Amino acid sequence: EAGVTQFPSHSVIEKGQTVTLRCDPISGHDNLYWYRRVMGKEIKFLLHFVKESKQDESGMPNNRFLAERTGGTYSTLKVQPAELEDSGVYFCASSRDRGSSYEQYFGPGTRLTVT
Amino acid sequence: AQSVTQPDIHITVSEGASLELRCNYSYGATPYLFWYVQSPGQGLQLLLKYFSGDTLVQGIKGFEAEFKRSQSSFNLRKPSVHWSDAAEYFCAVAATDSWGKLQFGAGTQVVVTP
Repeated sequence: EAGVTQFPSHSVIEKGQTVTLRCDPISGHDNLYWYRRVMGKEIKFLLHFVKESKQDESGMPNNRFLAERTGGTYSTLKVQPAELEDSGVYFCASSRDRGSSYEQYFGPGTRLTVT
Repeated sequence: AQSVTQPDIHITVSEGASLELRCNYSYGATPYLFWYVQSPGQGLQLLLKYFSGDTLVQGIKGFEAEFKRSQSSFNLRKPSVHWSDAAEYFCAVAATDSWGKLQFGAGTQVVVTP
């Protein structure tokens, strides 16, 4: 089966612009997670979808970040407007269901650079 | 506050030598524990996990980890490293009722020399 895919692999934008990151989870996985690693820091949880619903968005840094999961399939994470501190690697992960929530499969990440 | 600490940012090891990566956590109750590895250009891959039971856990790629409750530690070991083990390693924890919300350490970069 195909793994978790993320697009783009790398994005360079200017401060104030908008960027949309996309994640395609493994087919049939209900859970989808977004994490972020800012340079030199640890990977931090952003939010968690169960199907199309947000289960936990406690890690979203501010209202410039908007996540959606259309029809419980792929997810997008939009940053608008982007700030310098948003630079980092954004990871997406998925898992099949609640019973296997901890069996997460990660994508390769999107490296976002805000200049 | 809850935290996960990986004291070693960078480790260099010779091929064939043993490897031990340290992880300590601070949590209200014993969480679930994980080790992930990220090779260049790849996503994070789960090496092993501990939920309960036997405190010595076997994982993929010849890795094992030992949970020590008294020390709040979950150290990762491999008896003999291969050049392909060069990667970044992350310790992670999750509360047992958290729906899989992972909290990561800062990572340890492992370099393998010939």
